[in-house]
Amino acid sequence: TQLLEQSPQFLSIQEGENLTVYCNSSSVFSSLQWYRQEPGEGPVLLVTVVTGGEVKKLKRLTFQFGDARKDSSLHITAAQPGDTGLYLCAGAGETSGSRLTFGEGTQLTVNP
Amino acid sequence: NAGVMQNPRHLVRRRGQEARLRCSPMKGHSHVYWYRQLPEEGLKFMVYLQKENIIDESGMPKERFSAEFPKEGPSILRIQQVVRGDSAAYFCASSPFVGGQDNSPLHFGNGTRLTVT
Repeated sequence: TQLLEQSPQFLSIQEGENLTVYCNSSSVFSSLQWYRQEPGEGPVLLVTVVTGGEVKKLKRLTFQFGDARKDSSLHITAAQPGDTGLYLCAGAGETSGSRLTFGEGTQLTVNP
Repeated sequence: NAGVMQNPRHLVRRRGQEARLRCSPMKGHSHVYWYRQLPEEGLKFMVYLQKENIIDESGMPKERFSAEFPKEGPSILRIQQVVRGDSAAYFCASSPFVGGQDNSPLHFGNGTRLTVT
């Protein structure tokens, strides 16, 4: 069974601070996705990383896929209240086909 | 271009009743996935379907749960004889090809929140 562990589970910071969310596993994934979910809504895809060591940037968000494709991180620079939400990582296994394994999520609150 | 549509948004059922959750994928998407989310938890895979075929149901409970994606109409997740433990948010996602890849991201609906009383 593939598992993805996210840390921290909860994060409350002040506007303007930087933060990093981690997603770790003992399994290798063919690709890894990051989603953001607002209350009462479905997850919305932020990025997909495929290659070990890959770094992708989306405005103030930087996503990195570990060299061994077992872990990933999301770094937010100068966080804003609009960044508040549940951040989920999800991995597509090399043998699980289209079945995504989701982490438990990181609930981020950015206070003005 | 409408996104993934799920209905109802909220569903209340008494123990022992049946729950039917509907999902219309995005236009042009033939791959549908159902996930379940318990409060303050991540999403757990349930089933993956293509038109008229169940491809992967490894996450579905063996009893009371079934899913279909007919040639015409929405995908249906059916829960018979619901119990309180079935209370959760059920999300449907669709993709144009096999999902989870860079060229085929999953698009999620806003979910159906099932409450069993």
